[in-house]
Amino acid sequence: DIVMTQSPDSLAVSLGERAAINCKSSQSLLHTSNDKNYLAWFQHKPGQPPKLLIYWAFTRASGVPDRFSGSGSGTDFTLTISSLQAEDVAVYYCQQYFSSPQTFGQGTKLEIK
Amino acid sequence: EVQLVQSGGGLVQPGGSLRLSCAASGFTFSTYWMHWVRQVPGKGLMWVSRINSDGRSAVYADSVKGRFTVSRDNAKNTLYLQMNSLRVEDTAVYYCARVTIVEDYWGQGTLVTVSS
Repeated sequence: DIVMTQSPDSLAVSLGERAAINCKSSQSLLHTSNDKNYLAWFQHKPGQPPKLLIYWAFTRASGVPDRFSGSGSGTDFTLTISSLQAEDVAVYYCQQYFSSPQTFGQGTKLEIK
Repeated sequence: EVQLVQSGGGLVQPGGSLRLSCAASGFTFSTYWMHWVRQVPGKGLMWVSRINSDGRSAVYADSVKGRFTVSRDNAKNTLYLQMNSLRVEDTAVYYCARVTIVEDYWGQGTLVTVSS
């Protein structure tokens, strides 16, 4: 199975400031047939189901604010929130869909400083 | 509107069984792969299982393989997760989900508690 490792485990950022969450996979998620990275980012708030933010490593899902961006390729990826808003408090997960089982990272808890 | 409505959670003793259901509406259920994902309280998300659109192919996480069975009834637009030989560590909120690469829809989640 592909192991996904996120850093940090938790993060406190001031409102309006930038937040960055890293994700490393145990093997490359770049598929050579289509040059796409099979990596998604999800946001999970307490009492709610998870929500897809980013797919193909950097494409925002429909309705996701443009302050969320994804970057990286191969085995190293980053989710960046350019200007943190109060409603962004959540746990963020990366997930690989390169191969089954589709594994998640352990999560990064984002809080307001 | 896409809706996934879950039922069937609850308290069960270790070694017991439980079946979760997920009733789908608002889309052509028979054309989508479906997934089960769980979250142990205070822990992260774990993908549990997925089934293809006609129900003939299923994949499981190693920790549930041989104990859990995913199935679907496309005539009833319903997804199931049969959980046998339940363990304390299976205690979690279970979500059904229609997740494609570009979009996601989730059930409301149902709590399964395995305890004596």
